[in-house]
Amino acid sequence: GAVVSQHPSRVICKSGTSVKIECRSLDFQATTMFWYRQFPKQSLMLMATSNEGSKATYEQGVEKDKFLINHASLTLSTLTVTSAHPEDSSFYICSAYRISGGQPRNEQFFGPGTRLTVL
Amino acid sequence: QKEVEQNSGPLSVPEGAIASLNCTYSDRGSQSFFWYRQYSGKSPELIMSIYSNGDKEDGRFTAQLNKASQYVSLLIRDSQPSDSATYLCAVNGGGTYKYIFGTGTRLKVLA
Repeated sequence: GAVVSQHPSRVICKSGTSVKIECRSLDFQATTMFWYRQFPKQSLMLMATSNEGSKATYEQGVEKDKFLINHASLTLSTLTVTSAHPEDSSFYICSAYRISGGQPRNEQFFGPGTRLTVL
Repeated sequence: QKEVEQNSGPLSVPEGAIASLNCTYSDRGSQSFFWYRQYSGKSPELIMSIYSNGDKEDGRFTAQLNKASQYVSLLIRDSQPSDSATYLCAVNGGGTYKYIFGTGTRLKVLA
């Protein structure tokens, strides 16, 4: 199988603090990972593409200085929400891209998500 | 703007019936197509991927792809209450690793 873990699963923090979320591919290497955000009853919103050894690519409207992404190894990407505010409260989900015999037969596998609540 | 469209539902089917979920996409260059299931409060889980025209079966699930009509569907046979979830259609256009997700169809299987 393809297993992606995420930690923590739930975090509550005070406004103004920073929160780091880890995403790990446990049984495969992932040069590319993705970070999504999902508000209640809404669809997934891609925030950024995380590339191992290089800078992340952010989607339009996503502040790169607020959402810091580091992809330091082939199995780990981190998202840091800096100076979090209540409007950042959301469900953050990562996915890892598994390459199987080259495109197009590659698949994204999602981590279990991190529920962030900013008070 | 590349788009993936799904009916938001809810689609209600009785237990044991066939549930049919549909998805259309705008990018003719799309090469890979995926169905994810998402339970409330959980992250999406990959259930089917399809790359060629025609049908692909996996257990109770059948994915159908028609590139000429830019249409992909998911059939769930012998629907169970545990199948009640939101089903997300995702499309990959090739040349990029990004997926374009639909907004999802909420399925309710009535016991």
